[in-house]
Amino acid sequence: KAGVTQTPRYLIKTRGQQVTLSCSPISGHRSVSWYQQTPGQGLQFLFEYFSETQRNKGNFPGRFSGRQFSNSRSEMNVSTLELGDSALYLCASSLVLGQGGELFFGEGSRLTVL
Amino acid sequence: GENVEQHPSTLSVQEGDSAVIKCTYSDSASNYFPWYKQELGKRPQLIIDIRSNVGEKKDQRIAVTLNKTAKHFSLHITETQPEDSAVYFCAASSVGGTSYGKLTFGQGTILTVHP
Repeated sequence: KAGVTQTPRYLIKTRGQQVTLSCSPISGHRSVSWYQQTPGQGLQFLFEYFSETQRNKGNFPGRFSGRQFSNSRSEMNVSTLELGDSALYLCASSLVLGQGGELFFGEGSRLTVL
Repeated sequence: GENVEQHPSTLSVQEGDSAVIKCTYSDSASNYFPWYKQELGKRPQLIIDIRSNVGEKKDQRIAVTLNKTAKHFSLHITETQPEDSAVYFCAASSVGGTSYGKLTFGQGTILTVHP
């Protein structure tokens, strides 16, 4: 079956702009989480959604937001982009919420902010 | 919140040698500890995980040990091969608690296996 799909794969924005990233989980997976990956900070948790509800949120400013649709697809939005937002944004899906088990990651959306 | 420290940040070994990566965690409520491997330019993939009711788990050349008292866990790779070269991330989570599926990752270890 198809894996986790993220779009776009690469994008370049300028400071002050906003960006929306999309994630389609593996069919049947209802939990979607987002992580920011940077060379200096590693993988940092952004938020997690299950059944269209945000269940958990990491320590990121309010400029970072997300949502999940009824088909489990998820989007995250970053407003008023800053240079420090340049990163690889990874989406991961899992079958159930909060039971441990494998997270299936997408290939990521690489955001460059100029 | 949870904090996970991972060492070393880089590890270079000869093919056939063993490699050990160590992590410590701060939250005693953490009870699920996965390890992810990320090859260059690719997505992280789970290679092994362990829950707090188990002290050791092995899968072919890979093993993970957990010391709950000391709050540390380690990844052991034996008979390393060049294809083991990648970045390895440890993580911790509190399964069944209010943190749901949130994983706190270590900083990663770049493992290089020289032929």
